Amino acid sequence: DTGVSQDPRHKITKRGQNVTFRCDPISEHNRLYWYRQTLGQGPEFLTYFQNEAQLEKSRLLSDRFSAERPKGSFSTLEIQRTEQGDSAMYLCASPGRRGTDTQYFGPGTRLTVL
Amino acid sequence: AQTVTQSQPEMSVQEAETVTLSCTYDTSESDYYLFWYKQPPSRQMILVIRQEAYKQQNATENRFSVNFQKAAKSFSLKISDSQLGDAAMYFCAYRSGAYSGGGADGLTFGKGTHLIIQP
Repeated sequence: DTGVSQDPRHKITKRGQNVTFRCDPISEHNRLYWYRQTLGQGPEFLTYFQNEAQLEKSRLLSDRFSAERPKGSFSTLEIQRTEQGDSAMYLCASPGRRGTDTQYFGPGTRLTVL
Repeated sequence: AQTVTQSQPEMSVQEAETVTLSCTYDTSESDYYLFWYKQPPSRQMILVIRQEAYKQQNATENRFSVNFQKAAKSFSLKISDSQLGDAAMYFCAYRSGAYSGGGADGLTFGKGTHLIIQP
């Protein structure tokens, strides 16, 4: 257990619906990262936060994707008008005891879009 | 942009033997970090080992060690005394260092190597 939690672990939705995922990072760390992993591929970096500030947005896959971290603690990733191509594992990561250089991952949320 | 290449989609090794997974990367930066992550079938990504580019000494963690060749931009992972629990996908990852400036703070991953342990 890395100390990073994600909810839900699995989500099945119909095309066109909106979905939201939650990540709770390791406490006392102000950075939080989101990645997407499709089948047979390595994770792909999407965005990251330092406290409430979203410092990188350009990697988000489309304007249907958005992320928030309103109080600098947990974060949410929302996908609007889901498409079948959005089916993937969505991973959250935060630094741990070794400092900000190393990221520790949560168990992920597996999204299936029917 | 940095790229990470893992040229071995799948590797197989006998239990108790040694196996080496290869990783090469492309960067113009001098300050960076390299990582190996393991992703077992349960799919939680676990850190195996990390290497700071400014350190010449190769990192080791118990049965896991790396061969870091900065000039060749190579970062291989050696697993000694392979165990059944080592079976997983292994991902090599790159991250810019604090003094490289610009770009995202996220990790760049390779496509992974599927490691099979034969009993």
